Amino acid sequence: EVQLVQSGAEVKKPGESLKISCKGSGYTFTNYWIGWVRQMPGKGLEWMGIIYPGDSDTRYSPSFQGQVTISTDKSISIAYLQWASLKASDTAMYYCARQIVGASHGFDIWGQGTMVTVSS
Amino acid sequence: QSVLTLPPSTSGTPGQRVTISCSGSSSNIGSSAVNWYRQLPGTAPKLLIYGNNQRPSGVPDRFSGSKSGTSASLAISGLQSEDEADYYCAAWDDSLNGVVFGGGTKLTVL
Repeated sequence: EVQLVQSGAEVKKPGESLKISCKGSGYTFTNYWIGWVRQMPGKGLEWMGIIYPGDSDTRYSPSFQGQVTISTDKSISIAYLQWASLKASDTAMYYCARQIVGASHGFDIWGQGTMVTVSS
Repeated sequence: QSVLTLPPSTSGTPGQRVTISCSGSSSNIGSSAVNWYRQLPGTAPKLLIYGNNQRPSGVPDRFSGSKSGTSASLAISGLQSEDEADYYCAAWDDSLNGVVFGGGTKLTVL
């Protein structure tokens, strides 16, 4: 079964660092782009960026460039999303998703989501 | 303010056909394929339509997509209670160099 499994919910304080993960299985991890999508409480979906595990080519949304870092360890089929210094406004559900091959940029497989809560 | 425009809400009765329209511009829908997602409460989004009008395996043919110019539409026929969810359109934007989403449409099945 093709799936993405994300790390568990996190509760952090402002200024703390955080790295969440997304593990792919059931397919060749290095052959598909992995994207990250933010959903703030009660709000819509926001594309943060994508990474190609095969060569670590990474693209960021202008809104998130410099705010987060997307990385991957292809040896263990994991993609990461990390923050150096969290803010309360980073409180949200974060999804990883696999981008389908082709020009549509659609995401066909989604992780279950990781809830990040940042509060003092 | 989302780059792609969706109506905040829509509704229909069981068995009815509903259509959700997504409006964009020449830098996104006008030049890229449109994808549609459904998000049931408390769950991750699910891909319903990709490449404007292609259904992934397992998605019933009650769901169909179309695109014309800088607008796209998702049609749901034979509406069912389990279709009550949030629906999002998305497309690559050449100006922003990234994927943009619509703000979401909440579909209520009356």
